[in-house]
Amino acid sequence: QVQLVQSGAEVKNPGASVKVSCKASGYTFTYYAMHWVRQAPGQRPEWMGWINPGNHNTEYSQKVQGRVTFTTDTSATTVYMELSSLRSEDTAVYYCVRDSGRDWLLEHWGQGILVTVSS
Amino acid sequence: EIVLTQSPGTLSLSPGERATLSCRASQSVSSTYLAWYQQKPGQAPRLLIYGASTRATGIPDRFSGSGSGTDFTLTVSRLEPEDFAVYYCHQYGNSPLTFGQGTKVEIK
Repeated sequence: QVQLVQSGAEVKNPGASVKVSCKASGYTFTYYAMHWVRQAPGQRPEWMGWINPGNHNTEYSQKVQGRVTFTTDTSATTVYMELSSLRSEDTAVYYCVRDSGRDWLLEHWGQGILVTVSS
Repeated sequence: EIVLTQSPGTLSLSPGERATLSCRASQSVSSTYLAWYQQKPGQAPRLLIYGASTRATGIPDRFSGSGSGTDFTLTVSRLEPEDFAVYYCHQYGNSPLTFGQGTKVEIK
């Protein structure tokens, strides 16, 4: 079965960077895009973008473009999300989400990582 | 960007009652790429419905979705205790992907 296991919670100072991971298993890693979605406390989910592990193509939302980078390690079937120049508004739970492979349907969700930005 | 607006914000109902949740899009959602998710506190969203009306694997048939274009509905025919949660509609046909602000279904 599809499993997405994310790394642990992070606490960062404003202006710092954070890099979180998402280990995938139970399917062919390079066949499906991985999206990142974040959710601030009490807010709706917010889509950040996706990466295609097969060809490393990426798309980032305008809101985070320039501060976010998605990468993959195919041998480790792991996807990484790095967010720089952190500010308090970046405090959220960050989810990796595998799509359906046919379209951008967000089908399988990781457990989420709480990233807290605070001085 | 497609803006999704859900109503009502909160629905107060009793177990066994019918819940009807609405989602309106600011422009037509292409090829009915509209999904519904359920979220409970401390958990990731769980996919319920995709393609506006297709239940995801393992979702009970008391959940149903309908609609097209800009108006969509999620119906829970008879609420079970485990159905009290927040529900989000989501469009995945246009970038950026967007979510509604959520409807909380609470116990009356």
